[in-house]
Amino acid sequence: QKEVEQDPGPLSVPEGAIVSLNCTYSNSAFQYFMWYRQYSRKGPELLMYTYSSGNKEDGRFTAQVDKSSKYISLFIRDSQPSDSATYLCAMTKTSGTYKYIFGTGTRLKVLA
Amino acid sequence: DTAVSQTPKYLVTQMGNDKSIKCEQNLGHDTMYWYKQDSKKFLKIMFSYNNKELIINETVPNRFSPKSPDKAHLNLHINSLELGDSAVYFCASSRAGQGEAFFGQGTRLTVV
Repeated sequence: QKEVEQDPGPLSVPEGAIVSLNCTYSNSAFQYFMWYRQYSRKGPELLMYTYSSGNKEDGRFTAQVDKSSKYISLFIRDSQPSDSATYLCAMTKTSGTYKYIFGTGTRLKVLA
Repeated sequence: DTAVSQTPKYLVTQMGNDKSIKCEQNLGHDTMYWYKQDSKKFLKIMFSYNNKELIINETVPNRFSPKSPDKAHLNLHINSLELGDSAVYFCASSRAGQGEAFFGQGTRLTVV
């Protein structure tokens, strides 16, 4: 079993839809949780970063962490064609790990 | 003003050759990483360095040798390149091996 599981998609939604992207993980020691967006032939771009449980909102993006269920989510409101990309979740432990574990990424397509 | 920059962006080379990829970060971070992304977009840690010291070597063949001349630079030298080395290699950095990690734009290596 992988440490981080993520549905690879592809996920196609109409413009304006609310998108929900999710990851589950097995290691309860993970404390830092990140979402990256990666456009084709580009590097991963940090979108959201949360520490421990809770919600964080930034514009159209909301990240949620539920440590009791070992489940993290990224919601995109009013999705745009420019949101079409691969979304990667990543996580790491509190300190001394020096390693980020990534999900396999979900490919999202927002149709105009 | 690029935070994490890698050179070259593209590298096409023949089997058996030796090549290097360079990485520099201007974020003041003390931890740097090399990640490999395969054709399915999965990002896997190869090495991490903290304050110029190797912290993680994730069962990478000896043909791969990282070098960190100072905290802001991490280079990757690959000897005797093989077809299976074809991938995108990403450099990243973070503070003290935790928190948010920032990625470079990647080096697309093609071995023919």
